[in-house]
Amino acid sequence: NAGVMQNPRHLVRRRGQEARLRCSPMKGHSHVYWYRQLPEEGLKFMVYLQKENIIDESGMPKERFSAEFPKEGPSILRIQQVVRGDSAAYFCASSPLPLGPVNEKLFFGSGTQLSVL
Amino acid sequence: AQKITQTQPGMFVQEKEAVTLDCTYDTSDQSYGLFWYKQPSSGEMIFLIYQGSYDEQNATEGRYSLNFQKARKSANLVISASQLGDSAMYFCAMREGRRATGANNLFFGTGTRLTVIP
Repeated sequence: NAGVMQNPRHLVRRRGQEARLRCSPMKGHSHVYWYRQLPEEGLKFMVYLQKENIIDESGMPKERFSAEFPKEGPSILRIQQVVRGDSAAYFCASSPLPLGPVNEKLFFGSGTQLSVL
Repeated sequence: AQKITQTQPGMFVQEKEAVTLDCTYDTSDQSYGLFWYKQPSSGEMIFLIYQGSYDEQNATEGRYSLNFQKARKSANLVISASQLGDSAMYFCAMREGRRATGANNLFFGTGTRLTVIP
């Protein structure tokens, strides 16, 4: 029973390029959360998606960032025209139900370390 | 205001000793959840322990226990009998109850780096 799979583990991009980060949730999980971790900081919420729907994107920058979770395939976090400030670890987490009093389990992937040169 | 505060950037503990990592939180909700995660140098986030706001007993998971003091809004992690493999970053997190369903998420503190000394 594979856990949450994120790829690539490390991604290097030059300023102005696009970064695509993939997250395959655990089997049976239809809820995906993306978090960003800047150096020496805690994780910060970016976006929450269910299959084919963005539920909450309040933590995502308004420009250059987008996320999707299609009916088939992994969830994708896309960063266009990357800048040095985008360098961070990006974590994906999945759960079988929405996070809340009934379900408090979030399963995290190992993260993608994005480095912008 | 910070929702989760971890005031100890770094802690040292002797192997086999117990250590307490501090965490205070800020919420006006009655229903919320508190979590501790471990992040070793390899980077993954490992769930350690969970405490619900209505749980009367302190949560325990093996060598981990959560010292939950609701009136003080603190949720300290206690690791007993420290091992060298416990050296890692430790994050406290909270799920607020402001939405009954849907878009809840976790708020994380800035972490405490624990080093276990042989």
